[in-house]
Amino acid sequence: AQTVTQSQPEMSVQEAETVTLSCTYDTSESDYYLFWYKQPPSRQMILVIRQEAYKQQNATENRFSVNFQKAAKSFSLKISDSQLGDAAMYFCAYSPWGAQKLVFGQGTRLTINP
Amino acid sequence: GAVVSQHPSWVICKSGTSVKIECRSLDFQATTMFWYRQFPKQSLMLMATSNEGSKATYEQGVEKDKFLINHASLTLSTLTVTSAHPEDSSFYICSARPGGSSYEQYFGPGTRLTVT
Repeated sequence: AQTVTQSQPEMSVQEAETVTLSCTYDTSESDYYLFWYKQPPSRQMILVIRQEAYKQQNATENRFSVNFQKAAKSFSLKISDSQLGDAAMYFCAYSPWGAQKLVFGQGTRLTINP
Repeated sequence: GAVVSQHPSWVICKSGTSVKIECRSLDFQATTMFWYRQFPKQSLMLMATSNEGSKATYEQGVEKDKFLINHASLTLSTLTVTSAHPEDSSFYICSARPGGSSYEQYFGPGTRLTVT
């Protein structure tokens, strides 16, 4: 069974600094998707970034970027120039290619210190 | 952008009664919808996957007779919690996948269920 592990229950960072959230996963599949979702206090899940496993290039979305290490099964999220609005729970998620469901990690609560 | 709504956003019911939660895709057709459950300060756990016009597929450990899922149209799925008990109190989130998409999944805002 596929599993996703986020080993950092909580992280904090100073406003305008950079922070990296860790995620590892376990799968025997070669094709899959990886995601980072943000869940603010409103509890609305928001897609932050997506990575296709067949792509070697790391995905980036403005201040958000990932470090995808397929052999190590690692998928970390880097947030640059942290803003107060980035404070939220962040979930790493995995989805096999062609399958439908998402497998979520335990989540990391990110606090931004002004 | 794609919008998914849930109704109600918060419901309180008495133990032993049933409660229905609706999930609607407002601006796209969703061939597949998903129902998740989230306990306080925990992650989302997939309960079931529903495809329009067919029976839902439940995850291991989820009681299909207790959590009835109906996906009668391409824009509406319902979750009915039957004979609710206090331990069913939780935050329920739905998501919807547009037809033809292999990875997109749009989430609803969630429904908080409290069983007294």
